[in-house]
Amino acid sequence: AQSVTQLGSHVSVSEGALVLLRCNYSSSVPPYLFWYVQYPNQGLQLLLKYTSAATLVKGINGFEAEFKKSETSFHLTKPSAHMSDAAEYFCAVRSSGGGADGLTFGKGTHLIIQP
Amino acid sequence: EAGVAQSPRYKIIEKRQSVAFWCNPISGHATLYWYQQILGQGPKLLIQFQNNGVVDDSQLPKDRFSAERLKGVDSTLKIQPAKLEDSAVYLCASSFRGGARLNTEAFFGQGTRLTVV
Repeated sequence: AQSVTQLGSHVSVSEGALVLLRCNYSSSVPPYLFWYVQYPNQGLQLLLKYTSAATLVKGINGFEAEFKKSETSFHLTKPSAHMSDAAEYFCAVRSSGGGADGLTFGKGTHLIIQP
Repeated sequence: EAGVAQSPRYKIIEKRQSVAFWCNPISGHATLYWYQQILGQGPKLLIQFQNNGVVDDSQLPKDRFSAERLKGVDSTLKIQPAKLEDSAVYLCASSFRGGARLNTEAFFGQGTRLTVV
């Protein structure tokens, strides 16, 4: 079974500071990994995805993530936080088998931006 | 391009009552998912459809939850009877099922927030 662990339910950074949201995965096969963002009372929006083409993945809104197989990690970063980045962030891994390919999500990290 | 449409946005019911949620996926998307998101947790997959067939319903509480996608387009998720622990946001998502399906993006609707009192 595949799983995702997000370290830190809440992360607080100052505006302009580096954002680092941690995600570790467990998978018996090469994983397909995703980061989604959820704003209040909204659905989930894809930030970026890892599909084995490149270990450093660039996404929308200046976010990027690096896949490290040796560490089973897929941490999300952004060099300079903006107030509009305040939201809930979810790391997810895609399962596979028999046509089933639903996402398994972590518990989420709430990003707080301090002015 | 229109997104995934869900209705209603909010619903409050008493325990033991029944409720239904509706989802219309993005046009042309063969795969449709229903997720349950309990407050403070990540979404959990309830059921996956490919066209009008069920691909995965292993996490669907079948004693009270049911879902259908009769014509392979829109879908309905029903709870009967509802329990207090069913209070959650129910998210519908869809994706285009191409050859490289595992890296295909799933698009999410805004969800239906259910409160059971």
